[in-house]
Amino acid sequence: GQNIDQPTEMTATEGAIVQINCTYQTSGFNGLFWYQQHAGEAPTFLSYNVLDGLEEKGRFSSFLSRSKGYSYLLLKELQMKDSASYLCAAQDSNYQLIWGAGTKLIIKP
Amino acid sequence: GAVVSQHPSWVICKSGTSVKIECRSLDFQATTMFWYRQFPKQSLMLMATSNEGSKATYEQGVEKDKFLINHASLTLSTLTVTSAHPEDSSFYICSARDGGFVETQYFGPGTRLLVL
Repeated sequence: GQNIDQPTEMTATEGAIVQINCTYQTSGFNGLFWYQQHAGEAPTFLSYNVLDGLEEKGRFSSFLSRSKGYSYLLLKELQMKDSASYLCAAQDSNYQLIWGAGTKLIIKP
Repeated sequence: GAVVSQHPSWVICKSGTSVKIECRSLDFQATTMFWYRQFPKQSLMLMATSNEGSKATYEQGVEKDKFLINHASLTLSTLTVTSAHPEDSSFYICSARDGGFVETQYFGPGTRLLVL
């Protein structure tokens, strides 16, 4: 079957670094997406990885290991506005997204 | 680029009425659009995949006669909730896939439906 696992909730301190992990099992694989969703709003696209390695985009970086079925989203210099849910989604062979349940990130001052 | 709009953003209606939600890709053509539903503090639930010019593909447990989807053009898909009931109250979100190399899904801002 197809499955995405990510932690339900994480807490971090303003200014710190946090890593949100995601493991996936899909029928075929065409990439791994990360989305950010603030409470009461729709998700917004953050990053896409299809090759192994780290993709850096400002304070946010995303890593992929295809052989391990593993990805993480790294957030640096955390700000209060980063409090949100972070959704991991793997794209299967039909280009359909298989969604994780999301990780709620709580930032404390 | 890659902007998706949804209209209306809020709907309050009486039980038994039908509600139509529009999803538009504003600056790209979307062969495929998706409709999701999200209840408070729960994860996204895919309802159906909408392909331009053909019938939508519904996920298991989603009633196709209740949630009518029309994808009439490469920039517009509509979801009609027929004979809405209070249990249909939810946050409905569409997304459009850009069809590029990466095939990224971009989300509309969502529509909050409250059925009284």
